[in-house]
Amino acid sequence: AQKVTQAQTEISVVEKEDVTLDCVYETRDTTYYLFWYKQPPSGELVFLIRRNSFDEQNEISGRYSWNFQKSTSSFNFTITASQVVDSAVYFCALSEINTGKLIFGQGTTLQVKP
Amino acid sequence: DTAVSQTPKYLVTQMGNDKSIKCEQNLGHDTMYWYKQDSKKFLKIMFSYNNKELIINETVPNRFSPKSPDKAHLNLHINSLELGDSAVYFCASSPPGSYEQYFGPGTRLTVT
Repeated sequence: AQKVTQAQTEISVVEKEDVTLDCVYETRDTTYYLFWYKQPPSGELVFLIRRNSFDEQNEISGRYSWNFQKSTSSFNFTITASQVVDSAVYFCALSEINTGKLIFGQGTTLQVKP
Repeated sequence: DTAVSQTPKYLVTQMGNDKSIKCEQNLGHDTMYWYKQDSKKFLKIMFSYNNKELIINETVPNRFSPKSPDKAHLNLHINSLELGDSAVYFCASSPPGSYEQYFGPGTRLTVT
């Protein structure tokens, strides 16, 4: 079965701390896509990154970085020097290759305190 | 310009009523989706249409009926609303072969 697990339900950090959000997935597809979305308190879903299964290079975008490890079926997300505006629910998702539907993890609520 | 829009943003209604949520995308995408986010924030696919054709119907009660009049629109009609239908409903669209989905702002449905 296809599944995404975000074991951390809630994380609380103080501003400027680094924080890593874990994501573990299961899939029977050999080709697949992984995503991270951010849902701030205002409620919209904001796309952060897409990674395909053939590209295991880590990616950095400003304070955000992603570590994709196929060997452990993990796609972890690190925020460096966190800020209060990073407070949100973060979702990891897996795309089912035949239909394109997204299978979401349970979400991790990140609270960054000033 | 809003890429994926939904109306209404908020919908409060009583049990047993029938209601519709509308979704429109101006991105020229072929595929559109409906997702439901429950009170625990869990997001789950409900339906997907590709070029007006239903391709995913994910064990949703038949009180829910999606309708796609053209590839830019995907509406969701819900009959005989129940308390458990209270949730945030998100519409999304994606271009061919991309797998990246662009989400609308969501519609918060409250059934009393």
